[in-house]
Amino acid sequence: NAGVTQTPKFQVLKTGQSMTLQCAQDMNHEYMSWYRQDPGMGLRLIHYSVGAGITDQGEVPNGYNVSRSTTEDFPLRLLSAAPSQTSVYFCASSWTSGHTDTQYFGPGTRLTVL
Amino acid sequence: AQSVSQHNHHVILSEAASLELGCNYSYGGTVNLFWYVQYPGQHLQLLLKYFSGDPLVKGIKGFEAEFIKSKFSFNLRKPSVQWSDTAEYFCAVNPYNNNDMRFGAGTRLTVKP
Repeated sequence: NAGVTQTPKFQVLKTGQSMTLQCAQDMNHEYMSWYRQDPGMGLRLIHYSVGAGITDQGEVPNGYNVSRSTTEDFPLRLLSAAPSQTSVYFCASSWTSGHTDTQYFGPGTRLTVL
Repeated sequence: AQSVSQHNHHVILSEAASLELGCNYSYGGTVNLFWYVQYPGQHLQLLLKYFSGDPLVKGIKGFEAEFIKSKFSFNLRKPSVQWSDTAEYFCAVNPYNNNDMRFGAGTRLTVKP
């Protein structure tokens, strides 16, 4: 199993550009989530999904969209990038929601917005 | 709002020293508690978790954590650290039956050989 994969690993955007961060898992997990990691702030939950077709907002959803058309994929879209979105983004998955199951994290995408 | 506090930003120890990293949370209800570790250049991975039962939880690589409900704390311990424990450690809290997950800011541990 590849586990949780994320692409790209690095990305530089200009303010106002849009892009999609890709996340895929091959473990048939129902629950998937996106976090951003900023210095001194730990990880903050952006959006999550408890299954295909179901998404919900986390702690910091503004400026981001998600969709879950398949169990495997959970892309994160930046609609109009801002410098405040410069961060490292992690995708995670687990068998179920509620976090009783271990979350598996991807390697992260380092995004810089100029 | 629910928050998670990790008191130490950077801890430097020599090999064989004992480790205790503090974690406190502000949520008042039933919670699930976690410690994650991020080794240099690697993914975050779970060290240990607490849902119910014995408040002393043992995890991988000789780590353990104690849940003290009255203090809203879940401190991580290891009796003797190794150079390979150099990493960043994150405490996380999930309210029971809730999809939210809150992480602390992390503690960077440096172990000198």
